[in-house]
Amino acid sequence: NAGVTQTPKFQVLKTGQSMTLQCAQDMNHEYMSWYRQDPGMGLRLIHYSVGAGITDQGEVPNGYNVSRSTTEDFPLRLLSAAPSQTSVYFCASRNRGGSSYEQYFGPGTRLTVT
Amino acid sequence: SQQGEEDPQALSIQEGENATMNCSYKTSINNLQWYRQNSGRGLVHLILIRSNEREKHSGRLRVTLDTSKKSSSLLITASRAADTASYFCATAKLNQAGTALIFGKGTTLSVSS
Repeated sequence: NAGVTQTPKFQVLKTGQSMTLQCAQDMNHEYMSWYRQDPGMGLRLIHYSVGAGITDQGEVPNGYNVSRSTTEDFPLRLLSAAPSQTSVYFCASRNRGGSSYEQYFGPGTRLTVT
Repeated sequence: SQQGEEDPQALSIQEGENATMNCSYKTSINNLQWYRQNSGRGLVHLILIRSNEREKHSGRLRVTLDTSKKSSSLLITASRAADTASYFCATAKLNQAGTALIFGKGTTLSVSS
């Protein structure tokens, strides 16, 4: 299994540009989440999904959109990039059933907005 | 606002010493988890403790949970240089068990040889 994969690894955008960060998992996990990590701030939850077709907002959803058309994919869209969105973005997934709530993280996408 | 807050923010110790880091949280939880992040990498799950448990062990890790004080501690015994990383606590809220985790800001541990 590849686990959780994210593309691209690095991205530079100009203010106002839009882009989609890709996240995919091959573990058939129902739950998927997006976090951003900024220095001194830890990880903050942007959006999450409990299954295909179901998404919800986290702590810092403004400026981001998500959709979940398949179990495997959970893309994060930046509608109009701003310098405040410069961050490292992590996607995570976990299984719904069982007794383990362990989340599996992707390697991250480092985004710079100029 | 973030649910968990780790203390201290940074910790420097020598190899062989024990490292203790603490986490406080605000609301009722279903479980609390600890994750490790090596520099520039994704997070890796270390251990989970449920709200009805008080202590849990895994190898050199010992986690305690005090729900009355809304706090947890992670003890790493006999630290090694390879333990150098950032450590985060994460909580799953009572009505959102496992759906999404809320993370603290982390403790940066540096173990020197």
